Amino acid sequence: TQLLEQSPQFLSIQEGENLTVYCNSSSVFSSLQWYRQEPGEGPVLLVTVVTGGEVKKLKRLTFQFGDARKDSSLHITAAQPGDTGLYLCAGEPNSGYALNFGKGTSLLVTP
Amino acid sequence: SAVISQKPSRDICQRGTSLTIQCQVDSQVTMMFWYRQQPGQSLTLIATANQGSEATYESGFVIDKFPISRPNLTFSTLTVSNMSPEDSSIYLCSVLTGEQYFGPGTRLTVT
Repeated sequence: TQLLEQSPQFLSIQEGENLTVYCNSSSVFSSLQWYRQEPGEGPVLLVTVVTGGEVKKLKRLTFQFGDARKDSSLHITAAQPGDTGLYLCAGEPNSGYALNFGKGTSLLVTP
Repeated sequence: SAVISQKPSRDICQRGTSLTIQCQVDSQVTMMFWYRQQPGQSLTLIATANQGSEATYESGFVIDKFPISRPNLTFSTLTVSNMSPEDSSIYLCSVLTGEQYFGPGTRLTVT
């Protein structure tokens, strides 16, 4: 199993602040996904990054895949209470289909 | 994308009993996965369930404890057998249709 390390594990910020979540591995992935999970729900796919160095933007969220396809970051600009949730990164290994998940970053945005 | 439903959404069960969780998808998919998410933790893959073949279990999970059925391309069941409090978790089914999508989960508490 290819391990993914996420940091920070917990993050509590006020509305309007910016934040970055990191996802790192020593292994290369063919793609990497970011999910958000709210209490009582399954993870919801936010984005998939495939190409090394790729940057994708989803409104106030910016996702980057490292050049070597071993790491990724999620940056949120001007966080809102609706951004609260568990953010999970998951890597698709070069062989096989099952995703390897990081432990997640629990984000709390207070008004 | 795919819309996935799970039954039951939650249950409280006694030690030593078994629970069967159902997963229904709104389209035909070949690859389906079952994950476990223990309290405050990330997702751990239990098994891959492809229609027409035996389920493939990950290290630490065995068929006697977690038997899986996959009778057609839109449905699967996971049974948690001879339950103990350590089996208290959220159980999630997931499908791969280009990208990986998750059901809402079944929250199981074993007393």
